[in-house]
Amino acid sequence: DTGVSQNPRHKITKRGQNVTFRCDPISEHNRLYWYRQTLGQGPEFLTYFQNEAQLEKSRLLSDRFSAERPKGSFSTLEIQRTEQGDSAMYLCASSLDGGLGYTFGSGTRLTVV
Amino acid sequence: AQSVTQLDSQVPVFEEAPVELRCNYSSSVSVYLFWYVQYPNQGLQLLLKYLSGSTLVESINGFEAEFNKSQTSFHLRKPSVHISDTAEYFCAVSGRGGSEKLVFGKGTKLTVNP
Repeated sequence: DTGVSQNPRHKITKRGQNVTFRCDPISEHNRLYWYRQTLGQGPEFLTYFQNEAQLEKSRLLSDRFSAERPKGSFSTLEIQRTEQGDSAMYLCASSLDGGLGYTFGSGTRLTVV
Repeated sequence: AQSVTQLDSQVPVFEEAPVELRCNYSSSVSVYLFWYVQYPNQGLQLLLKYLSGSTLVESINGFEAEFNKSQTSFHLRKPSVHISDTAEYFCAVSGRGGSEKLVFGKGTKLTVNP
């Protein structure tokens, strides 16, 4: 088991373009979480899945953001019509036992120019 | 809802000195408490957690934290730090029996100097 894997590690995109990130959780974990971390801040919750069901979404997740976990395994996070304010580190985490401690991936750093 | 305040954004110390990173939380329900560490260009790693039982919890690399319900605090301590402890440390809280999301503080950057 190689832990939580996120791809790509870095993404530079022009404002207005769409981007998609992928997260592969630890295989036996049924819960998957997305967080966003901006410079000088702690991670902020975006959304989480239990198996393929999206159970909670933050108000931070505007209409331009969509997350899926189609077969309860990997997950994708898509941002449409990117804005400079979307520049951040996007972190994925997985867990077997709910909010009792996650395993985080290394993150995808998005830069919108 | 929960919130976390990490009182120090940066803490510089010399190697082998003791250190305390402060964390206070607020919550209307009982909580679970966590400390995560983030090394440069890496994701967050769970350092230690308080779920129930003994209020003093320890990590494998010499850190400890004590849950103080009356002061709503969960300060992180180490009696003697190493250069390799240089990292950013995040305190986090989740509510028992409710949302599984973690609410993080803004982090404390610990720099250990030789």
